[in-house]
Amino acid sequence: IAGITQAPTSQILAAGRRMTLRCTQDMRHNAMYWYRQDLGLGLRLIHYSNTAGTTGKGEVPDGYSVSRANTDDFPLTLASAVPSQTSVYFCASSSQGDITDTQYFGPGTRLTVL
Amino acid sequence: RKEVEQDPGPFNVPEGATVAFNCTYSNSASQSFFWYRQDCRKEPKLLMSVYSSGNEDGRFTAQLNRASQYISLLIRDSKLSDSATYLCVVNIPSGSARQLTFGSGTQLTVLP
Repeated sequence: IAGITQAPTSQILAAGRRMTLRCTQDMRHNAMYWYRQDLGLGLRLIHYSNTAGTTGKGEVPDGYSVSRANTDDFPLTLASAVPSQTSVYFCASSSQGDITDTQYFGPGTRLTVL
Repeated sequence: RKEVEQDPGPFNVPEGATVAFNCTYSNSASQSFFWYRQDCRKEPKLLMSVYSSGNEDGRFTAQLNRASQYISLLIRDSKLSDSATYLCVVNIPSGSARQLTFGSGTQLTVLP
C-alpha cells in the first residue's frame, strides 16, 4: 500500500441498505477526512478526525457516521442509504491536521443509491 | 453567498496561452490558501500553496490579496497536460476544526 486506498471503487446500492466505505492510509498521518463531491457543489466535508480516537462533524454529516479506532483506518458508514447520497466520496489525510498541511486524497468511491 | 467562489468556466485556450483564474473567499479570518488540481474522474492533488507575498512554481504563479479577499492562479505557456479542473481551497477558522473549504472548481481545456 502506498498513500491512501479506498474500497470499493464503485457501488450501486438499494435505498435503505447499510454501506461502509473503507479508507486506509499508510503514511502515519494523524488527521483524516471524508468528503463528498457533487457536480456544481465541489467537495464538502462530511466528517473528520484530527487523531485516532477522535472524530468531528463537517459541513454535511447527517446520514453518515465514522470511527477512528486506529491511525490507519477511517471507515464511513451510511446507516440507511438514500438517493441523495449518490455521490463520489473521497477520503483524505494530512500529517498533523494543521491548516497549512497538504491533504492527500484517495482515488474515490463512486456510490449510486437507487 | 458561498464561502469560496470560483468562475466555473470552462476556459478553452490554445497551447502556449496565458490564462488566469480568480477566486474569492468570504471569511476574512482565513489563513491558509491553496490551489488543487483535479483531473477528470480522479482525486484532487495539491498544485501549490498560496503565500501572502505571492509565489511561483515554474509556469504557475499564485497571488493572494487579503484586503480584497481574493486569490489568483496564473498559468503561462499552457500545455495540453494542464487541462484539468482547478480548485481554490481556503481554511475555515472554526474552533478546533482544521477544515478546508473547496471551491467548486474552474475547468480548463488547453487546445492543440
